[in-house]
Amino acid sequence: AQSVTQLGSHVSVSEGALVLLRCNYSSSVPPYLFWYVQYPNQGLQLLLKYTSAATLVKGINGFEAEFKKSETSFHLTKPSAHMSDAAEYFCAVSGDTGGFKTIFGAGTRLFVKA
Amino acid sequence: GAGVSQSPSNKVTEKGKDVELRCDPISGHTALYWYRQSLGQGLEFLIYFQGNSAPDKSGLPSDRFSAERTGGSVSTLTIQRTQQEDSAVYLCASSTPGQEHGIQYFGAGTRLSVL
Repeated sequence: AQSVTQLGSHVSVSEGALVLLRCNYSSSVPPYLFWYVQYPNQGLQLLLKYTSAATLVKGINGFEAEFKKSETSFHLTKPSAHMSDAAEYFCAVSGDTGGFKTIFGAGTRLFVKA
Repeated sequence: GAGVSQSPSNKVTEKGKDVELRCDPISGHTALYWYRQSLGQGLEFLIYFQGNSAPDKSGLPSDRFSAERTGGSVSTLTIQRTQQEDSAVYLCASSTPGQEHGIQYFGAGTRLSVL
């Protein structure tokens, strides 16, 4: 069975600082990996996805994530945080059993300080 | 439609009552998912429909929960004899598994409050 662990339920950074949100996964098959973002009072939307084409994936709003098979990780980064990045971020994995049942992590809430 | 539509947006009910939550997926999307989002709990998978295949119900927390999808489109999630612990935001998502590697498009959710 697949699973996702997001380290840190809350992360706080200063505006302009590096953002690093950690995600580790478990999967018996090559996974599809996703980061979704939920802005305050809005629905979830896709930030980026990994589907084996490239290990470094670029998403919207300057975010990127690197798939590291040896570490079973898919951490999300952004070089310089902006106030508008404050949101909840979810890592997700799918692809097990040939289907698209998706397992989400518990989420990490990002706070950005002025 | 333009996006995934869920109704109602808010539902307040009394303990023991049954509730029905509706999801209208994006036209043409063959896969439909239901999740439960509780405070501090992330997204909990409930059920997944894909085309005419038998649904994956492995996430339903009890037999009080059921869901159906009629005509491969609209889905209804039913919670019978609601309990206070059922209070949460129920999210629906749809996707085209054969394309986009299963990217899901989410509705705004139904916030259920059981008094």
